[in-house]
Amino acid sequence: SAVISQKPSRDICQRGTSLTIQCQVDSQVTMMFWYRQQPGQSLTLIATANQGSEATYESGFVIDKFPISRPNLTFSTLTVSNMSPEDSSIYLCSVEKETQYFGPGTRLLVL
Amino acid sequence: QQQVKQSPQSLIVQKGGISIINCAYENTAFDYFPWYQQFPGKGPALLIAIRPDVSEKKEGRFTISFNKSAKQFSLHIMDSQPGDSATYFCAAPSGKLIFGQGTTLQVKP
Repeated sequence: SAVISQKPSRDICQRGTSLTIQCQVDSQVTMMFWYRQQPGQSLTLIATANQGSEATYESGFVIDKFPISRPNLTFSTLTVSNMSPEDSSIYLCSVEKETQYFGPGTRLLVL
Repeated sequence: QQQVKQSPQSLIVQKGGISIINCAYENTAFDYFPWYQQFPGKGPALLIAIRPDVSEKKEGRFTISFNKSAKQFSLHIMDSQPGDSATYFCAAPSGKLIFGQGTTLQVKP
């Protein structure tokens, strides 16, 4: 299994600003994932982050809006840039160790 | 784009009853099928998973049934309890996890 922590747990941000979300895992993992979960919806994959390479983004998500860093095998960050109210969601970090485990999420409200 | 179709969208069950959630997938190249449980304000937690070479897996009150020929798998919650009230997601991995739409379960006392 894997224990995942995220910071911040929640935040309220103003339109046009950026927020960086941190994800820490208790063991080394190759693949880390970032998901978005809009209110009452399922999970949508934003990107896959492997250490030492550029993140791979899913259709509809771009690096300029959601830059990702993966400096080592236990840590990653996701930045939500130039935020608008439509970015209000839960952002979830996930890792794969035989199966996939999720962090507690970051609840973002953009005003 | 592979899809996983989950039903029902919502479910209300009396305490002690059986909750059944179904998922259908399109591709056979999956190597395991997980179910996740998510409580309000929390991230999804892995509940139970099954490999496609097994037709059924049971862990306590939770059972996954897998029908490879029909490309379907289901979650059964026996003796449902109010503490089981949550949203349940099925998923199928195909390079990445593809999630179903989710089922909101309410167990009435």
